[in-house]
Amino acid sequence: DTGVSQDPRHKITKRGQNVTFRCDPISEHNRLYWYRQTLGQGPEFLTYFQNEAQLEKSRLLSDRFSAERPKGSFSTLEIQRTEQGDSAMYLCASRLGPSYEQYFGPGTRLTVT
Amino acid sequence: GDSVTQMEGPVTLSEEAFLTINCTYTATGYPSLFWYVQYPGEGLQLLLKATKADDKGSNKGFEATYRKETTSFHLEKGSVQVSDSAVYFCALTEDGNKLVFGAGTILRVKS
Repeated sequence: DTGVSQDPRHKITKRGQNVTFRCDPISEHNRLYWYRQTLGQGPEFLTYFQNEAQLEKSRLLSDRFSAERPKGSFSTLEIQRTEQGDSAMYLCASRLGPSYEQYFGPGTRLTVT
Repeated sequence: GDSVTQMEGPVTLSEEAFLTINCTYTATGYPSLFWYVQYPGEGLQLLLKATKADDKGSNKGFEATYRKETTSFHLEKGSVQVSDSAVYFCALTEDGNKLVFGAGTILRVKS
């Protein structure tokens, strides 16, 4: 059983560029979550999917952010026109059915220069 | 909205010392409560959970009891090891989807 995987693990980009991250959840987990974690803080919820449907988005998710889960398996998170304030660790988690336990991936660390 | 408050760190202990990390929460309903741990260079791992009042979650020698009357979920371990050095996060969810985390507490255990 492989865990949640994320790609890339690190991304350095210049301000104004677009970036895309990928998350592969644990197979058969129907719920997938994105969180953002800044230094010295706990993760903050961004959005989640049940199968391919995006069911909730945080106010933290500005119009520059978009997430998809086209076939109910992997998910992508895109940030357009990156800003220095977007520098953070982006975490993906997945969950199966009625259990409330979320399993986290290793994260993608984004640095915007 | 919901929130979680943890004691500030870092907490520095000698090996075999008793550990307590305080966690209190604010929620509108009856949340499920969790402790997650983040070891250096690794992702978040679920350490233990409790889903209703007076439940005790336990794992790897760590324990936490869901106290509704004091809205608390303090993490304890009777004898810490150097390998327990990590960042510990208290978290809650009311709907099983949005997890609300505390800021985290750094634990450093010295041999």
